[in-house]
Amino acid sequence: EVQLVESGGGLVKPGGSLRLSCAASGFTLKNYSMNWIRQAPGKGLEWVSSMSPTTDYTYYADSMKGRFIISRDNAKKALYLQMSSLRAEDTAVYFCAREGLGLGSGGLDVWGQGTMVTVSS
Amino acid sequence: SYELTQPPSVSVSPGQTARITCSGDALANQYTFWYQQKPGQAPVLMIYKDRERPSGIPERFSGSSSGTTVTLTISGVQAEDEADYYCQSADTSGTYVFGAGTKVTVV
Repeated sequence: EVQLVESGGGLVKPGGSLRLSCAASGFTLKNYSMNWIRQAPGKGLEWVSSMSPTTDYTYYADSMKGRFIISRDNAKKALYLQMSSLRAEDTAVYFCAREGLGLGSGGLDVWGQGTMVTVSS
Repeated sequence: SYELTQPPSVSVSPGQTARITCSGDALANQYTFWYQQKPGQAPVLMIYKDRERPSGIPERFSGSSSGTTVTLTISGVQAEDEADYYCQSADTSGTYVFGAGTKVTVV
């Protein structure tokens, strides 16, 4: 079964750091671009970052640039998001998602269930 | 970055047709994707490349495009189609953007 499972969320103080992980199974991670998307409580989806299959290219939403770092370890079948200088407005469920092959750039065909990040003092 | 504009809500009776629009300057040159999200669940890809349907998605879901506006159409709406729907596209810098979402209510 193709699956993505996020972990690493939790409560963190403003200005703090957190590292999210996404474990992939059921498919060959190294063949796919991967993304992080977040959703604040009661709000819509917000794209966060993406990384190409071999890490050649990374992209970030403007509000995350310089604070978030996406990375991956294809051998460990894992995607990561290192978040620093966290703010209250970063409070959200963070999803990892796979870009499907042949769907056009951005087509996210597999999603994890998300991990909750709460930034509060 | 740029914005994608969706109506906040659409109400439809069972068996009728719901149409959800998504507008954005870049849509004339970029593919659009549609996702369905039900409460407490992860989004599900419903349409890719403006009008293609992934396997397993019911035929009542269809997509179309005209200039800078794309439309998701749900024909013969069923109660289970009540959900939030998001459009998504890319800009020329390689980043992605989602619309604010449309809540479809089946009344």
